[in-house]
Amino acid sequence: EPEVTQTPSHQVTQMGQEVILRCVPISNHLYFYWYRQILGQKVEFLVSFYNNEISEKSEIFDDQFSVERPDGSNFTLKIRSTKLEDSAMYFCASSLRLSNQPQHFGDGTRLSIL
Amino acid sequence: AQTVTQSQPEMSVQEAETVTLSCTYDTSESDYYLFWYKQPPSRQMILVIRQEAYKQQNATENRFSVNFQKAAKSFSLKISDSQLGDAAMYFCAYRSAGSNYQLIWGAGTKLIIKP
Repeated sequence: EPEVTQTPSHQVTQMGQEVILRCVPISNHLYFYWYRQILGQKVEFLVSFYNNEISEKSEIFDDQFSVERPDGSNFTLKIRSTKLEDSAMYFCASSLRLSNQPQHFGDGTRLSIL
Repeated sequence: AQTVTQSQPEMSVQEAETVTLSCTYDTSESDYYLFWYKQPPSRQMILVIRQEAYKQQNATENRFSVNFQKAAKSFSLKISDSQLGDAAMYFCAYRSAGSNYQLIWGAGTKLIIKP
C-alpha cells in the first residue's frame, strides 16, 4: 500500500537556525498538509496546500514558516529561524481531492530545538 | 469553532475483551466527517475508521465499530476482541465537509492491552 514518507525521522537544530522538513506524499494525491504535535498536547493543523498554493493555514503558521513543492514528488516545510517552542513532532499528510477521502499520514519528524 | 473532546486520557482492557473509547465534539455544521486514528509507539498516524455525518448507519471495519449519535454529538469507538497490537494512542478527529479540509483533533486516549 502506498505510504507518505518523511525525512529525517529526527532533526536536532540550534535555536535561530533554519530547518527544512521533507515529505513525499502518496503519488496520486492532490492535497497536502502539515500538522504538529507538541509533547503532551493535541495535534495541531499548520497548513494545507493544493495546486501549488496554500489553501488554508492556521494562526501558528506565521511568517517563520513556509511550504513548497519544489518538484513533482516532494513537499517541504521550512522554519526560517527556529525557536525553542518549535520543538514538536511534525506530521505530513496527503489526500485525494474528494472531500470524503481521509488524510494519510507519514511517520513524522521529531524536531528538537536546542 | 469546532472542538473535539476525549475525556479518557487512558483506558485498559484485557486481551480478547471489548473496550469503548469516548469522543464528543462541538459544531454548528450539519455536514462533516469524523475519524478515529491510531498512533502506535512507532508513531505513524493510522486511519482506523471514518464516519460521514449524513449517514445514519454506524461505520464498521472488522473488529472496530463506532456509535455515532449526531444529536448528542458523540462518536465512540468500540474495539472488539482486543489484541496486543491494538495498544496505541487513539485520536478522534473532525473535519468539515466544506472547503475547510483541516482535521481538528481530540487530545487522545492511551489504550493499554493487558495480556
